[in-house]
Amino acid sequence: KQEVTQIPAALSVPEGENLVLNCSFTDSAIYNLQWFRQDPGKGLTSLLLIQSSQREQTSGRLNASLDKSSGRSTLYIAASQPGDSATYLCALPGGSSQGNLIFGKGTKLSVKP
Amino acid sequence: EPEVTQTPSHQVTQMGQEVILHCVPISNHLYFYWYRQILGQKVEFLVSFYNNEISEKSEIFDDQFSVERPDGSNFTLKIRSTKLEDSAMYFCASSVQAGGNTIYFGEGSWLTVV
Repeated sequence: KQEVTQIPAALSVPEGENLVLNCSFTDSAIYNLQWFRQDPGKGLTSLLLIQSSQREQTSGRLNASLDKSSGRSTLYIAASQPGDSATYLCALPGGSSQGNLIFGKGTKLSVKP
Repeated sequence: EPEVTQTPSHQVTQMGQEVILHCVPISNHLYFYWYRQILGQKVEFLVSFYNNEISEKSEIFDDQFSVERPDGSNFTLKIRSTKLEDSAMYFCASSVQAGGNTIYFGEGSWLTVV
């Protein structure tokens, strides 16, 4: 059964720093991996979807990489801003429907001005 | 940008009562999902729905839960007899296809059972 782990659970950085969030998974036979952002008490905002055939995907200051063989993905945030403060979740399909996403517990990011 | 819309945003209900949570998925999407998140815990899959039937469900989605697409735009989650442990944020989501496509989530419906 697929398990998803995110380290660290929380991270606090000063504004302007580049940072890396980690996601690891136990079963490397994945279709894709999706990174989400969640603000407190709010829904999930999709940030990046990276297919199993891709090594990385970029959107603005965000870059997600995928290494299936080692069961790892990273989300790189460049030049962090206070508005980036949120919980970042990674998720992978775990069931037959591929809409059955298995989530990590997330990394709570705080960017200090 | 199209979005998944959920109502109500917050509902308080007595234990044992029935609750219906409403969702309007993105209009050209064909696959619909419900997830839940108990406070402080991971987001958990409940059910996926395609072509007017359930395509997959988790162990959480037992007989007290049901889903329905009553018309061309709405997608509902019914909890028949709520329990205290059903208190959670319930997220509706949708995607164009089942595999390889981004899944878009709504803002959630926060259910409190008292």
